[in-house]
Amino acid sequence: EAGVAQSPRYKIIEKRQSVAFWCNPISGHATLYWYQQILGQGPKLLIQFQNNGVVDDSQLPKDRFSAERLKGVDSTLKIQPAKLEDSAVYLCASSPGPRDYEQYFGPGTRLTVT
Amino acid sequence: KQEVTQIPAALSVPEGENLVLNCSFTDSAIYNLQWFRQDPGKGLTPLLLIQSSQREQTSGRLNASLDKSSGRSTLYIAASQPGDSATYLCAVKGRDNYGQNFVFGPGTRLSVLP
Repeated sequence: EAGVAQSPRYKIIEKRQSVAFWCNPISGHATLYWYQQILGQGPKLLIQFQNNGVVDDSQLPKDRFSAERLKGVDSTLKIQPAKLEDSAVYLCASSPGPRDYEQYFGPGTRLTVT
Repeated sequence: KQEVTQIPAALSVPEGENLVLNCSFTDSAIYNLQWFRQDPGKGLTPLLLIQSSQREQTSGRLNASLDKSSGRSTLYIAASQPGDSATYLCAVKGRDNYGQNFVFGPGTRLSVLP
C-alpha cells in the first residue's frame, strides 16, 4: 500500500512570495490533515478535511493560508503572502475516518522563507 | 484548551537499557492517544494507538499505558537499541466542539549509544 505522498520536499522562497504544497493521501482514506511543525515543536493542526468538506480550520491563519481538497482526494495548501515565521515543515496526514483511527503521515515539505 | 507536555525533552542512554518516556495532557476528555516516532527529515511513524477505554497497548519492545484520570501516558521501551534513536511524540485526540482536534506534545529526543 502506497503511503501519503507530498511535494515538493523542499522549498525556499522570499517573504511576501506565494507557495503551494500538494498532498496525495492513502487510497480510500476519507480524512486528510495538514500540520505545521516549527523546529523543536510538535506538529500543530492547521486544517482537517472529511472527504472534500472542512471539519476543523480553527488554527489556520485564514488571512494568508488557504487549503482545498477537490473531489475528496488530493489536497493543496497555499500560503500567500509568506512571512518569515512560516518557515516550518508542513506535514500531510490521512486516516480512514475522523475519530478512532491511526493517522499516517507523509514525509513533509520543508519551507524556508528568507 | 488541551495542552500536551512531554518529559524529558531529551534523553541519552546506553544500548540495552529499559526506558520510560512521559506524556501529560490537561483535558482528560479524549478519544484516544497515539505515540509516534520521527526520524530527522522524515514524517511521523505511528507506533501505538490507545483508545480512551483502554489501559495499555503493546507492540514488540514497546508498551504504552494510559491513565485518563491523571492525564498521563507512558511509553516503555525495553532493551533499547541504537536504531531506536529518534524523537518520540505523543498526541491526543480531544472531544472539543469539533470532536476532531489532535494535539501533539513537543517530543522527547532519544539517543541510544552503542
